[in-house]
Order: sequence, then structure tokens, then C-alpha cells
Amino acid sequence: NAGVIQTPRHKVTGKGQEATLWCEPISGHSAVFWYRQTIVQGLEFLTYFRNQAPIDDSGMPKERFSAQMPNQSHSTLKIQSTQPQDSAVYLCASSLDLGGAGDTQYFGPGTRLLVL
Amino acid sequence: AQKVTQTQTSISVVEKTTVTMDCVYETRDSSYFLFWYKQTASGEIVFLIRQDSYKKENATVGHYSLNFQKPKSSIGLIITATQIEDSAVYFCAMRDYNQGKLIFGQGTKLSIKP
Repeated sequence: NAGVIQTPRHKVTGKGQEATLWCEPISGHSAVFWYRQTIVQGLEFLTYFRNQAPIDDSGMPKERFSAQMPNQSHSTLKIQSTQPQDSAVYLCASSLDLGGAGDTQYFGPGTRLLVL
Repeated sequence: AQKVTQTQTSISVVEKTTVTMDCVYETRDSSYFLFWYKQTASGEIVFLIRQDSYKKENATVGHYSLNFQKPKSSIGLIITATQIEDSAVYFCAMRDYNQGKLIFGQGTKLSIKP
């Protein structure tokens, strides 16, 4: 069974450019999560969707960051006007459901974003 | 507010021994879920084991087990018969019942020596 797929695995952008990161959750999983990992902040929650609907974006920076889930098979995280401080590994995770035994989150390999 | 703390930055043990990694958490919810993940050298984050707060029995999966001490808000990970390939960074995480997001600790780097 395929795990969570993230593309690209590595992305280098210039300051001020836009970056779009893609995530394909495990087939049948109804919840999709985005996290960011840096040396300084560690693993931080950004946002999540349940059945394609946005549920919690409390971790998303207020400006320049947006996430969508247009269908059940993929989600995107878009960063406009990228800044050097956006450099991080962006991780996508998915789970079967929220609550109960089915809610373990499984992570993708991440996208390493470097903003020069 | 939720918080997860792993005070051990790094641990080094000899292969085939047992190691325990500590984790304490803070939450106001009476129901919550606790998880341990490991991050390999390649960056892959792998789910290992979980403990649901309402379960009194400590979870065990393979050579991983948990020491859940609810009154102390503590969830230790025990790895028995360690192997070289257990070398990784181990993260403790929690999720409140009515929330989806995981809150992670800072991680503990485990090195297994031959």
C-alpha cells in the first residue's frame, strides 16, 4: 500500500517567489494534516482538513500561507512571496478518522523547502 | 494549553540493552491520545505506538512498550533488545480528543552502539 505522497521532495525558490507543495493522502483516509519542521521550532502544526473541509488552521501564518483540498486525493499548501524564514521541511500526514482507534496520523516523506 | 516535554536531548546505549525515553505532557482534557514516532536519518517519520488515555493497560507493540503514568502526566517509551537500526530521533506527541492536531515534544536522539 502506498503511503502519503508528497511532491516535490526538494524545492529551492528565490525570495519573493511562490511555492506550491502537494500532498496525496493514503487512499481512504478522510483527514489530512500539514506540519512544518525546523531546527528551532521543531514540529509545528499548520492546518488540517476533514472530508476536504478545512477544520483548523490555527497554526498557519496569517499572511502568505494558504492550503486547499480540492478533492479527496490531494491537498496543496501554497506560500506566496516566500521568505528565508519559510525554509523548513513541510510534512503532510493523513488519518482514517478523528477519534477512536482510527485516528493515528501517518506522515509523508516531507518537502524540503529552501528559500534563498 | 497543551504542551509536550522531552527533557532528554540525546541518549546513547549499547546494542541489545533496554532504553527508556521520558515524556511528560500537559492538557486540560480528560480524554486524549498519546503517540510515539521515530524520525530516521532519511527524515522519514514513522508511527511506533500509541496510548489512549482511558486505557489503563500499557500498550506494547513488538519491542516497544509504554509506561503510562496518568497521575504524573507521563508516557515513557521503552525499547527492549535495542538494535543498531533503532538509532533515530524519537518524538512524543499528544492529541486532545476533540482536536485533530498533534502537539510534539522536542525529540530525543537515540544512538545505539555496537
